Amino acid sequence: DAGVIQSPRHEVTEMGQEVTLRCKPISGHNSLFWYRQTMMRGLELLIYFNNNVPIDDSGMPEDRFSAKMPNASFSTLKIQPSEPRDSAVYFCASSPGQPYPQYGYTFGSGTRLTVV
Amino acid sequence: GNSVTQMEGPVTLSEEAFLTINCTYTATGYPSLFWYVQYPGEGLQLLLKATKADDKGSNKGFEATYRKETTSFHLEKGSVQVSDSAVYFCALSAAGGATNKLIFGTGTLLAVQP
Repeated sequence: DAGVIQSPRHEVTEMGQEVTLRCKPISGHNSLFWYRQTMMRGLELLIYFNNNVPIDDSGMPEDRFSAKMPNASFSTLKIQPSEPRDSAVYFCASSPGQPYPQYGYTFGSGTRLTVV
Repeated sequence: GNSVTQMEGPVTLSEEAFLTINCTYTATGYPSLFWYVQYPGEGLQLLLKATKADDKGSNKGFEATYRKETTSFHLEKGSVQVSDSAVYFCALSAAGGATNKLIFGTGTLLAVQP
């Protein structure tokens, strides 16, 4: 398996532009997680899905952020409009989900977003 | 609620020194426990895990033992290398709920000097 695949690896955009980050989870994993990592705030859980359904989006910072999972093999995280404070590394992770808590997560390599 | 507390860094060691990174947890029931490692510029990778009390997880010379009596899962390595320099995250996963949500600690930066 190729693991969790994220694209793009790097994104530089201007303030006010729309940004879309993409994630392909491991086949057969039914849970998907989006994280944001910054020096100031560390690793933050933004939203997670189970069987393509959003379970908890309480970590999404504001309405400018939205996430979708139209099918089991694809998810997007969109920021519109983007702001400089959104600059961070965004990670996607997937997991077999319940009833297998012992398997943990597999993380993608991340997307480094820079908003100028 | 469930939580993980790990020692703050940075931890700076010389090559071949002994490493301990402390991790304690609060959880109901019997969680699974994990250590993840993040090398510079990369995502988090599973380093080792333990799923029940007294289990010892091990990988790449690192070890951690699931201690229920002290609610701890300390990471140890007998002789660190420069290549071990990374951020280490302790995490727990509790059964129940809609999915197996991992609760992460804040991470500990390890810097190994030659």
